[in-house]
Amino acid sequence: GEDVEQSLFLSVREGDSSVINCTYTDSSSTYLYWYKQEPGAGLQLLTYIFSNMDMKQDQRLTVLLNKKDKHLSLRIADTQTGDSAIYFCAESIRSGNTGKLIFGQGTTLQVKP
Amino acid sequence: KAGVTQTPRYLIKTRGQQVTLSCSPISGHRSVSWYQQTPGQGLQFLFEYFSETQRNKGNFPGRFSGRQFSNSRSEMNVSTLELGDSALYLCASSLGDTQETQYFGPGTRLLVL
Repeated sequence: GEDVEQSLFLSVREGDSSVINCTYTDSSSTYLYWYKQEPGAGLQLLTYIFSNMDMKQDQRLTVLLNKKDKHLSLRIADTQTGDSAIYFCAESIRSGNTGKLIFGQGTTLQVKP
Repeated sequence: KAGVTQTPRYLIKTRGQQVTLSCSPISGHRSVSWYQQTPGQGLQFLFEYFSETQRNKGNFPGRFSGRQFSNSRSEMNVSTLELGDSALYLCASSLGDTQETQYFGPGTRLLVL
């Protein structure tokens, strides 16, 4: 089946680390993505990880992938008020030469000053 | 490089009408995908076009259709609008080959009255 699950809400204090978790079901996913959506805006690609990797770091962002448990996490170091947004985890479902993204419900990150 | 652009940004229609939304992908990208975002159903895949051909389709009724032009620009059309079609419609572009990472536009917010 195609399903991606995320917790709905996370609240942290400015300067703390945020960890957003995601589980997915399709073991054949090649890429897994994190997108950010601010109010009234589209989706901004934050980072992605190839399925044969365990970890990827990009400045304040760290993505961890546990392929055995189909678990993905996004850690934001030194969280800022500007990081307040909805974060979506997505898996890429391939079928032949085409693909589509299956999204989680989104995690609302609230950063308190 | 300019990002993905979508027009119009906002649209108000009444039930029974039809609507056409437009998407211009990132220069050089040949694949365009469309997604519908609603509070209840989240982000759902509508269809994908590549080289003027529909390569993949989600579980939406036939009232939802699309096309792609030779310059990779894409349009989606919704006929006989229903209240439940009110949503943010997001377009995403990718290179279309093995690099499948999708970049999203700002979306078109459609309100059906």
